[in-house]
Amino acid sequence: EAQVTQNPRYLITVTGKKLTVTCSQNMNHEYMSWYRQDPGLGLRQIYYSMNVEVTDKGDVPEGYKVSRKEKRNFPLILESPSPNQTSLYFCASSPAPGQGMFFGEGSRLTVL
Amino acid sequence: KQEVTQIPAALSVPEGENLVLNCSFTDSAIYNLQWFRQDPGKGLTSLLLIQSSQREQTSGRLNASLDKSSGRSTLYIAASQPGDSATYLCAVRPGSGGYQKVTFGTGTKLQVIP
Repeated sequence: EAQVTQNPRYLITVTGKKLTVTCSQNMNHEYMSWYRQDPGLGLRQIYYSMNVEVTDKGDVPEGYKVSRKEKRNFPLILESPSPNQTSLYFCASSPAPGQGMFFGEGSRLTVL
Repeated sequence: KQEVTQIPAALSVPEGENLVLNCSFTDSAIYNLQWFRQDPGKGLTSLLLIQSSQREQTSGRLNASLDKSSGRSTLYIAASQPGDSATYLCAVRPGSGGYQKVTFGTGTKLQVIP
């Protein structure tokens, strides 16, 4: 089954404790991206990647890192999480700009 | 900077009614526009994708139209059902530079009452 898989789905952590949210797609898509969704603000893009080893900042990259060492994986790294990074995170992939995006189920992160 | 607006933020209709959801964008130089639905606690499910050269797309009871010149897209849902209750989001992909910088609207939360 074609899918985008995120882990963990739910996480509660404390300020400053490094964490990684993994994202994997099995559709051989070139493009992957991360979004955060907050009430009243909608989905905002954090980072995107057009191919292996090619990444760029979205609208809200501060406090996040990404890497794209393999085509299928695009992990989101929070080096030192803070409470304002409490949010619902989504990973998405697409085969090309002209084709639609596929989303993971989301990862709800709470930073205390 | 592209801004995408969806009005109304919430909508409640009786079952069976035909309805229209709106999506407005400020920069008409778009590559495509995609409509999604989001169920509570779930990810986004793609409904329809309209390329900038297209005027409309249809899938079952759903029809999406695009008017680039006026910066508007509409999602028409025919004969609404309780299972259509969800939040509907539109996403605009820019047409020049930074194809990956997609902008989302804040969504319309739809409730279909049996």
